[in-house]
Amino acid sequence: DAGVIQSPRHEVTEMGQEVTLRCKPISGHDYLFWYRQTMMRGLELLIYFNNNVPIDDSGMPEDRFSAKMPNASFSTLKIQPSEPRDSAVYFCASSLPGTVNYGYTFGSGTRLTVV
Amino acid sequence: TQLLEQSPQFLSIQEGENLTVYCNSSSVFSSLQWYRQEPGEGPVLLVTVVTGGEVKKLKRLTFQFGDARKDSSLHITAAQPGDTGLYLCAGTDNYGQNFVFGPGTRLSVLP
Repeated sequence: DAGVIQSPRHEVTEMGQEVTLRCKPISGHDYLFWYRQTMMRGLELLIYFNNNVPIDDSGMPEDRFSAKMPNASFSTLKIQPSEPRDSAVYFCASSLPGTVNYGYTFGSGTRLTVV
Repeated sequence: TQLLEQSPQFLSIQEGENLTVYCNSSSVFSSLQWYRQEPGEGPVLLVTVVTGGEVKKLKRLTFQFGDARKDSSLHITAAQPGDTGLYLCAGTDNYGQNFVFGPGTRLSVLP
């Protein structure tokens, strides 16, 4: 089991550019979460999907952020246009069916720096 | 919105000492999870507690869920440098639709 795979591990971009973060959940997991972590705000839930359907996107900071899950094995988080305040570590996590209350498996994260 | 608070925020101890960190809320959770996060990596699930008053042990780590399911504690016996990391608690509400993380306790165990 390769775990939750995120790419890229590091991304440096200029303000105003589009950024796309990618996630491959563990096979068979039907919940997928996108979190953002900063020193000031800790881990914040941005959006989560169940069976590829977005369930709650109330954590998405603004319209510049969008997320998709076209199939059970792939999800993207896009920021357009990016701003310096978007700099953070973005994590993807997934959970087995019926076990979402029992915890998730996180990827290693994408460290985004917007200059 | 359900919130989780953790204390202390930072803890630095010597190898071999015991410690307890706390996770508190004014809300009831259906379950609480504890994670440990090391630099440059994602959080790793340590344990989930679901029943009020439940106690779980994982080697030198003891986890307890409060009777009212509003708080939890993590006790480490004879801490080792390998225990160093950020300890996060996370909870889900009774509907399984509110997932929140506490701010974490950053533990440093000095050799």
